[in-house]
Amino acid sequence: DVKVTQSSRYLVKRTGEKVFLECVQDMDHENMFWYRQDPGLGLRLIYFSYDVKMKEKGDIPEGYSVSREKKERFSLILESASTNQTSMYLCASSTWGGVNTEAFFGQGTRLTVV
Amino acid sequence: AQSVAQPEDQVNVAEGNPLTVKCTYSVSGNPYLFWYVQYPNRGLQFLLKYITGDNLVKGSYGFEAEFNKSQTSFHLKKPSALVSDSALYFCAVRDRSNDMRFGAGTRLTVKP
Repeated sequence: DVKVTQSSRYLVKRTGEKVFLECVQDMDHENMFWYRQDPGLGLRLIYFSYDVKMKEKGDIPEGYSVSREKKERFSLILESASTNQTSMYLCASSTWGGVNTEAFFGQGTRLTVV
Repeated sequence: AQSVAQPEDQVNVAEGNPLTVKCTYSVSGNPYLFWYVQYPNRGLQFLLKYITGDNLVKGSYGFEAEFNKSQTSFHLKKPSALVSDSALYFCAVRDRSNDMRFGAGTRLTVKP
């Protein structure tokens, strides 16, 4: 089975801190994604990556950056955390087969910024 | 860019009755459509997908979905709902790009 692992289930950080959310997948997938999930808004794409060191902005990239130094790892970085970034963050991966392949999700990281 | 709409925030059905969770989409090319389910405090689990071919797609846990090109819809269905089907359901779409766009989600509650 595909496994996508997010490093933390719950995080509490202070306003202004730099925050790292880590995601690792074990199926050699080319594509990796970061979403945030908020009630009533569903999942919104922050960034995605289709190869090592490659990244594309999603719908809400402001206040975030990403890093993909190795194929299996995709990190989301909050440069200076703010309270409006309190949310559930979901990482996902899929093969390069692209449009007809489903994404596999991690269990999520619930981030609270105080 | 592609998008999906889930017009119902909440769907309530009685156990044993059929259920439908609605989804409509907008894409510039051929649509690739997906349904996912999320149980409390968990990530999303893939249920089924439509790529091409038969308009009725069968997936996990007895769910199926009907693709309707003229109505740009991809509704999720199950003939007989179970209490354990209660969860949050998301529709998603891709076109030619690699990114996937999700709807706002529909909370399904199945009552005994």
